[in-house]
Amino acid sequence: DGGITQSPKYLFRKEGQNVTLSCEQNLNHDAMYWYRQDPGQGLRLIYYSQIVNDFQKGDIAEGYSVSREKKESFPLTVTSAQKNPTAFYLCASSPLTGGFYNEQFFGPGTRLTVL
Amino acid sequence: AQTVTQSQPEMSVQEAETVTLSCTYDTSESNYYLFWYKQPPSRQMILVIRQEAYKQQNATENRFSVNFQKAAKSFSLKISDSQLGDTAMYFCAFMKQESGNTPLVFGKGTRLSVIA
Repeated sequence: DGGITQSPKYLFRKEGQNVTLSCEQNLNHDAMYWYRQDPGQGLRLIYYSQIVNDFQKGDIAEGYSVSREKKESFPLTVTSAQKNPTAFYLCASSPLTGGFYNEQFFGPGTRLTVL
Repeated sequence: AQTVTQSQPEMSVQEAETVTLSCTYDTSESNYYLFWYKQPPSRQMILVIRQEAYKQQNATENRFSVNFQKAAKSFSLKISDSQLGDTAMYFCAFMKQESGNTPLVFGKGTRLSVIA
């Protein structure tokens, strides 16, 4: 089955620890995205990548880092510099076609809780 | 920068009735797309409907339709014959029309409850 997988579904972290959230897609999509969801805040963009070995900061990149070494993988590291990391994290991907519109497909999300 | 505003944090509707969710946006772009996404309790994001800004005709998908007012920068979602399965968070979203892939800009969401 083609799709986007995020692991783990639930993640607990102690304050001061870095943690990496996994996002993998087998849709052969070029672009991948990380969004953060907080209650009453909607989804906000953390980072996105349009091609391998390249990525851009979103609106709330501080305290986060990413890598894009493979087309199918876009892991997100939440560092100890992120002041309030408890949130729901969604990964998405989209193809790069000749047209302007490319639908974004979302993974099931990871709930991160800082203890 | 683009912004998307959803002024109704919560709404409720009786089963089989019609409900309209509001969305306004601000942009200096001429070409863009607008979307409504549904997020049920499973938290999986589901695309409900898409509108291209260059199209005057309002998009429809079965029981879901939009009222797109480009000059007013308004993009409301109408759900007809509401069903219990429509209970979810609904997000309005904006995407610039560019070659390549651009991120979505989301509103804060409206929590819709369908009551039996």
